[in-house]
Amino acid sequence: DAKTTQPPSMDCAEGRAANLPCNHSTISGNEYVYWYRQIHSQGPQYIIHGLKNNETNEMASLIITEDRKSSTLILPHATLRDTAVYYCIVRPSSGNTPLVFGKGTRLSVIA
Amino acid sequence: DSGVTQTPKHLITATGQRVTLRCSPRSGDLSVYWYQQSLDQGLQFLIQYYNGEERAKGNILERFSAQQFPDLHSELNLSSLELGDSALYFCASSLTSTGFYYGYTFGSGTRLTVV
Repeated sequence: DAKTTQPPSMDCAEGRAANLPCNHSTISGNEYVYWYRQIHSQGPQYIIHGLKNNETNEMASLIITEDRKSSTLILPHATLRDTAVYYCIVRPSSGNTPLVFGKGTRLSVIA
Repeated sequence: DSGVTQTPKHLITATGQRVTLRCSPRSGDLSVYWYQQSLDQGLQFLIQYYNGEERAKGNILERFSAQQFPDLHSELNLSSLELGDSALYFCASSLTSTGFYYGYTFGSGTRLTVV
């Protein structure tokens, strides 16, 4: 029962912004949007999460639409080291639901 | 180095055997989570422990079991191994029982190959 839809793959030129979309049209009011990434067979790495306001940290920015049915993860200046699978995950703020990973988007940063 | 330590990094064993994977969580974290990643199934949640008690259970086979010890390290036991159990096994930890605000910190994984 997939809660998010992501494109299977994307390319981005090195130094340019990488914009990774995620559709979560059935998101509930108490569900947050999380982003993780996995660099080739390493453990997944937490990037950012948000509810409805846009969020920014040292790694990325998260833009959530006003209706919360979709979001975009932005890597402002992609480098070759950002090549990874990016996972968009919807998770409720209450209860003890563990992180459930889908197939994610494979981002290739090209020199 | 994420602070989550998994041993061994690689393990090769025969079908029918039993193995134990070990995880030491990041200092101060009370929750431990186990995930399995195979080529065809992606990352699958197996089980979570919080401060020694089981908190959530996912698609964990009856042949698999886990526990968390008083020093908070955790072990995942896999028995009667089959070829299909070959996968990367990740351990993650979090400060709280939900890992909600600070996310999970993952280890570098144990690659299990069953021959």
